[in-house]
Amino acid sequence: GAVVSQHPSRVICKSGTSVKIECRSLDFQATTMFWYRQFPKKSLMLMATSNEGSKATYEQGVEKDKFLINHASLTLSTLTVTSAHPEDSSFYICSARDSRGTYEQYFGPGTRLTVT
Amino acid sequence: SQQGEEDPQALSIQEGENATMNCSYKTSINNLQWYRQNSGRGLVHLILIRSNEREKHSGRLRVTLDTSKKSSSLLITASRAADTASYFCATWGTGGFKTIFGAGTRLFVKA
Repeated sequence: GAVVSQHPSRVICKSGTSVKIECRSLDFQATTMFWYRQFPKKSLMLMATSNEGSKATYEQGVEKDKFLINHASLTLSTLTVTSAHPEDSSFYICSARDSRGTYEQYFGPGTRLTVT
Repeated sequence: SQQGEEDPQALSIQEGENATMNCSYKTSINNLQWYRQNSGRGLVHLILIRSNEREKHSGRLRVTLDTSKKSSSLLITASRAADTASYFCATWGTGGFKTIFGAGTRLFVKA
C-alpha cells in the first residue's frame, strides 16, 4: 500500500527557534498534501492544504507566517514552525492524496514537537 | 471539531461485546472514512464509504451512512482488548478537496 513518511518523528527545540518537518510520499506522487495538528486527546485539526508548485491554502485561524508550508515536488511537502513557542508543542500529522485521483488519503506517522 | 461531533466521546466495554460509535457531519460529502489511532501514534485507515453507499463491511467492522441525516456509524463486533484506541470519522466534502475530522470516540475494551 501507499506509504507516507514524516521526519523527524520527534523533535525538541527551544523557544524562538524554527523547526522543519518533512512529509514524503514514498511510492506515489501527490499533487496535494495536507497538514494537521493534534492536541492531546483531541481530534485532528486541518491546518493547511499544500499544492505542488503553488501556495498553500490555510484554514481560518492558522497563521501562514508562523507555519510555512512548501510543496516543491510531487513527493515532498515541508512544514516549518517559525519562532516556535511552547504553545506550538503538538503532534503534527501530514497526509497525501494520490495524484491518480482516488479519494483515499494516506497519513504519515506524525511528528511530536516539544518546544521548551 | 472542524466538521462535526462523535458520539459517544468515550466508550468502555467488555471484550466480546459490540461497540457502536456515531458520527455527525455538517456539509455535503463525497465520502466518509473511519480511522483508528492508538495513543500517540499515527492514523490507520479502516474503511471508506462513498456518499451513494449506505452500508459497508470489512471483517468485524460495519459502517453505515445516512446522508439525509448527515450521520454515520461504526460497529465493531466481538471486540477485543486490542481494539482499544481512538476512532475518528473524516469527511471529504463536495465543496473542497480536503478531509475534515470529527471529534473522535475513545474506545476502551476491558479484557
